[in-house]
Amino acid sequence: AQTVTQSQPEMSVQEAETVTLSCTYDTSESDYYLFWYKQPPSRQMILVIRQEAYKQQNATENRFSVNFQKAAKSFSLKISDSQLGDAAMYFCAFRAWGQKVTFGTGTKLQVIP
Amino acid sequence: NAGVTQTPKFQVLKTGQSMTLQCAQDMNHEYMSWYRQDPGMGLRLIHYSVGAGITDQGEVPNGYNVSRSTTEDFPLRLLSAAPSQTSVYFCASSANREGAEQYFGPGTRLTVT
Repeated sequence: AQTVTQSQPEMSVQEAETVTLSCTYDTSESDYYLFWYKQPPSRQMILVIRQEAYKQQNATENRFSVNFQKAAKSFSLKISDSQLGDAAMYFCAFRAWGQKVTFGTGTKLQVIP
Repeated sequence: NAGVTQTPKFQVLKTGQSMTLQCAQDMNHEYMSWYRQDPGMGLRLIHYSVGAGITDQGEVPNGYNVSRSTTEDFPLRLLSAAPSQTSVYFCASSANREGAEQYFGPGTRLTVT
């Protein structure tokens, strides 16, 4: 069974600064996807970014990028130029073919003006 | 498209009562799932389905039943509500491939007294 671990229950960042959220996972699969989802106070879950395990290049979406280290089974999310609207819970998730989606316990990000 | 809809948004039950949380999607997604979200515990998978007529248990299935008679609908039944089932419940759907984005409903806040 896959496990996803987010070891930082809470993080804070100054507005306009950069923050990195950590995620590690455990799997015996070789082909899979990793995701970061954002849950703002509205509770609506939104996909932030995804990474395919076979792609060596780290995914990037505007101010959001990942550092994917397959051998270390690490998948961190970097948020650059943090904005007040980035304040939210962030969940890391894993999915391999034919398997259910596994989520981590989440990191609550606070953005300080 | 309405996306993923959940009803009701809020519900209060007495211990021992039963009820059904409704979930529907109009995106023709094969994969549907139910999660509960509790503080500090992230999203825990209750049940999931990879297609009509197929369901499977997640991490925390006890006290809940599901069925999937159509592609669109995936109701979650609480058989005999307990205070430990007080939580926020999310339904999600996606295409049944590992890289597919999960689309979440707005959630149901359930309180069992």
